[in-house]
Amino acid sequence: EIVMTQSPATLSVSPGERATLSCRASQSVSSNLAWYQQKPGQAPRLLIYGASTRATGIPARFSGSGSGTEFTLTISSLQSEDFAVYYCQQYNNWPPLTFGPGTKVDIK
Amino acid sequence: QVQLVQSGAEVKKPGASVKVSCKASGYTFTGYYMHWVRQAPGQGLEWMGRINPNSGGTNYAQKFQGRVTMTRDTSISTAYMELSRLRSDDTAVYYCARDHEDLGYCIWWGQGTLVTVSS
Repeated sequence: EIVMTQSPATLSVSPGERATLSCRASQSVSSNLAWYQQKPGQAPRLLIYGASTRATGIPARFSGSGSGTEFTLTISSLQSEDFAVYYCQQYNNWPPLTFGPGTKVDIK
Repeated sequence: QVQLVQSGAEVKKPGASVKVSCKASGYTFTGYYMHWVRQAPGQGLEWMGRINPNSGGTNYAQKFQGRVTMTRDTSISTAYMELSRLRSDDTAVYYCARDHEDLGYCIWWGQGTLVTVSS
């Protein structure tokens, strides 16, 4: 089973600032990596798939990069609606699908 | 538009079973795998398994093997997840989520069903 880790656990950012979130896989997942955003009381929302492709309707301030075992989600200028928990998920070697433990982005 | 509508919250006693439904609309139900993912209070996302609504074939996470059963009723475009021998640590929100092109990531999610296990 591929183990996903994320850092930091919590990221405190001021509105308008840049946020950089990291995700690491225990073995290569190629580019088969997705990012989700989850707000309290809501289902996850797909942001990025294929490590760098934005899902339909996702603003351009969200970008993904990386391949193999190291991945990054960047939010270029944080808006109020971006404060949430972000999960990475690998779909290269499954079952099982595996998620990272999440990074909470909160207001500084 | 694609919609996944799940059944309502449940309260169960330890040792009991729960069956959660997920009614799909807005697309061909048999054309896409359906995953089940759960989230314990304050915790992350945990994949439980998936079902092929066309064939009924399933893949389960090893952790849930022997306790989970995923089924479907194509006549009403509904997927089901049944978890047996419930324990207190099964208290969680359970989500169904439609796979995208059988690749393993999900664009469409149900609203979630809270299952509380308490004596």
